[in-house]
Amino acid sequence: AQSVTQLGSHVSVSEGALVLLRCNYSSSVPPYLFWYVQYPNQGLQLLLKYTSAATLVKGINGFEAEFKKSETSFHLTKPSAHMSDAAEYFCAVSGGNTGFQKLVFGTGTRLLVSP
Amino acid sequence: EADIYQTPRYLVIGTGKKITLECSQTMGHDKMYWYQQDPGMELHLIHYSYGVNSTEKGDLSSESTVSRIRTEHFPLTLESARPSHTSQYLCASSEVRGTEAFFGQGTRLTVV
Repeated sequence: AQSVTQLGSHVSVSEGALVLLRCNYSSSVPPYLFWYVQYPNQGLQLLLKYTSAATLVKGINGFEAEFKKSETSFHLTKPSAHMSDAAEYFCAVSGGNTGFQKLVFGTGTRLLVSP
Repeated sequence: EADIYQTPRYLVIGTGKKITLECSQTMGHDKMYWYQQDPGMELHLIHYSYGVNSTEKGDLSSESTVSRIRTEHFPLTLESARPSHTSQYLCASSEVRGTEAFFGQGTRLTVV
């Protein structure tokens, strides 16, 4: 079974500041891990994914995440926040050893960016 | 760019009505999924399919039903809508040996 915990339902940063969104996972099999972004009234857009290759994963819009097996974490970072980054962010896990399976999502983190 | 489409985008309907939410993908993906997103934003899997004539219930119990008669089409039906069904419904698809899911834009359903 898999599960994901996202720490903090809301994160507020100033424009230009570091963005850090936390995600811890639990999985009984080697996981695939994902970060999705959702803008208001939109579907989910994939930011980046970890599928057992490089542990540091770079995604779109300047985001990256590091898979740390020892900490069961997959935190999302961006060095400098932009106003357009304000959105909902979801971490998700899927079983990886048999290929992509259904996603289990965290509860989401709303990123607020102030001028 | 993913080619998965959901219609309608928004629907307001009265209690007791039957509704069908449409989801189609042009990528030839065998696996398709329906997620329900609460007003508080949490996403739960309610149905999935790994191919034609294959449907399974997801992690969250739902009164909706699905069918998979064609690879590209995965409609969701509510026989009698209730206010508790008010939510956003997201459809997704993936390849059998793929490593990610592609999502549609969602249908926001309001039952009054």
